[in-house]
Order: sequence, then C-alpha cells, then structure tokens
Amino acid sequence: DAGITQSPRHKVTETGTPVTLRCHQTENHRYMYWYRQDPGHGLRLIHYSYGVKDTDKGEVSDGYSVSRSKTEDFLLTLESATSSQTSVYFCATGPGLAATGELFFGEGSRLTVL
Amino acid sequence: AQSVTQLGSHVSVSEGALVLLRCNYSSSVPPYLFWYVQYPNQGLQLLLKYTSAATLVKGINGFEAEFKKSETSFHLTKPSAHMSDAAEYFCAVSDREAAGNKLTFGGGTRVLVKP
Repeated sequence: DAGITQSPRHKVTETGTPVTLRCHQTENHRYMYWYRQDPGHGLRLIHYSYGVKDTDKGEVSDGYSVSRSKTEDFLLTLESATSSQTSVYFCATGPGLAATGELFFGEGSRLTVL
Repeated sequence: AQSVTQLGSHVSVSEGALVLLRCNYSSSVPPYLFWYVQYPNQGLQLLLKYTSAATLVKGINGFEAEFKKSETSFHLTKPSAHMSDAAEYFCAVSDREAAGNKLTFGGGTRVLVKP
C-alpha cells in the first residue's frame, strides 16, 4: 500500500471558519488528488496536483483551494466552511500517465460543519 | 466527459449466492476501468483493473469483471458471497489520454450479505 496519511481524521467546525486538511505521502507519487464522498454521489474530484506548485480544478472545486509546496504534502483549504461541505474527504495519489491509472487512497477525513 | 453509472445503490445477497454489481461507462477513448471496495470507516482498496489486456479480469477475494466494449460495461461478479464481502463497491473510469490521470467514480453500490 502507498503510505498516505490524512490529518485530522475527524473535525467538527462551525460555519464560516477556515479549515485545512493535510495529506502526506511517502511513495514519491507525482499526482495527488482530493475527493469528497457523499451518499449517492460516489467520489467527486475537488482538485488535483500534477507536481509541486502545479494544481488544477476538479468538478466540485468551488469553495476549496489547494497547495502543494513539497512532493509529499497536499493541503486542502476551506476558506469559510459551509454546511454543504460536510463530507468525508479522501486524498489519493498516483504515479502518473506512465502507469495504468490506479490511484491509492488515504483513510479519509470526516468533516462536520455545524 | 467521462461518466460511470452503477445500477442499484443497494444490493442484498444471501451467503453463498452470486454477487453481480453492474457498471456502465461512457468514454470517448478506450478507458482504464477499475473496481474499488470500501469497508466501513476505511479508504478505498483496489479490487481489480482493466487496462486493455485480457477482457476478463480477475481480482482479489474471488472477484472478477468482464470488459464488454459493445455494451460499454464492466460488471463485477463473485460466484459465492461471503459475509466479509459486505461493503460498498465503486466502479471508476480513467481516460488514459487525458491530462491528470483522474478517476471518475460511479455512485457506489452497498452490498449486504444475509446469513
């Protein structure tokens, strides 16, 4: 398994507060991703990174920003959390186009916005 | 744009019975296809993947899936369900030619196994 750790694993916050989720990998994978999981929607891509300081939007990027200052770390920030952002967030990594497209997932971070 | 449709958000099977989870995809180019499994309060684990070699793909825990291009399907089967198969299963597609190596997921199918 790819070494992917997410922190915090659980967080409860209030509407309007900033939240940062961290993903750390030890596999030196080029690509990193943030997905959110909601019942009936499967996993939806928020943002992804294809290298240090190189990021792009996914299908549900509104209200989220990301940063990647090191290969191993990918941060997801909610500048001002809303109740609609209550979800389980998963970080994933992948070695890139040279491989077969498989992604490796972290354990998830459950965020509740009151 | 790619999309994945999983028929049935919940499936109930008896222990020892056939497990069949349906997945249909849309993609403008030959895709990579995946099935992932998620046990409660855990991340996603890869069950199997199709990458244009054999159309019948065998995975872990006795699961297999068949890629049918004419039907744009990638259904997952297991001949005999075990209690430990109770989990949520996700089908996913990757456009091998697109930048970003992104996966698009279906809505998931939760499997309940009855004794």
